[in-house]
Amino acid sequence: GALVYQYPRRTICKSGTSMRMECQAVGFQATSVAWYRQSPQKTFELIALSTVNSAIKYEQNFTQEKFPISHPNLSFSSMTVLNAYLEDRGLYLCGAGEQYFGPGTRLTVL
Amino acid sequence: QQQVRQSPQSLTVWEGETAILNCSYENSAFDYFPWYQQFPGEGPALLISILSVSNKKEDGRFTIFFNKREKKLSLHIADSQPGDSATYFCAAITGNTRKLIFGLGTTLQVQP
Repeated sequence: GALVYQYPRRTICKSGTSMRMECQAVGFQATSVAWYRQSPQKTFELIALSTVNSAIKYEQNFTQEKFPISHPNLSFSSMTVLNAYLEDRGLYLCGAGEQYFGPGTRLTVL
Repeated sequence: QQQVRQSPQSLTVWEGETAILNCSYENSAFDYFPWYQQFPGEGPALLISILSVSNKKEDGRFTIFFNKREKKLSLHIADSQPGDSATYFCAAITGNTRKLIFGLGTTLQVQP
């Protein structure tokens, strides 16, 4: 079956440091990958939509300088949270199309 | 401005009852409406979805009723089970952007 894996599942970083999270699609080709952040209040914020062989489109309030994304092939994408601060905490979700979401990477910032 | 609204914020029903979760939207360009189920500590899982050309979609105990004119839809969970206790998100997408817009969710508690 089709699955989306994310790792790490949980991570803690110090304020001002950076952390990288990965997304792996298994059993299907992820031509487009969307990265979301789910806040503690459960709101989903779309960070960016990445399509292979196309430019990555970032949403308002999110930038490549803060959340650089790599989507080198149809099965893998990664995103880094640079210079993380308290407001960056939350569950970061990788979604492939509308059907498949990973379990998320929960980021805690100390 | 929330483009997709859900109500109630939380809902408690008894086992065996039908839970009704409501959703409304603003943008008439939305043409696809997936519902997701999320358990604590997990990512959302696609539960059932409907296209705007339909007014009803059924899958087992889960049914979506869609009213395009009123820009409203609802998810009915028949014969609710304690295992259905989760947060349910209504989402909407437009054909051109393929960007998902989520509601804030309804947390359902099914009491045995």
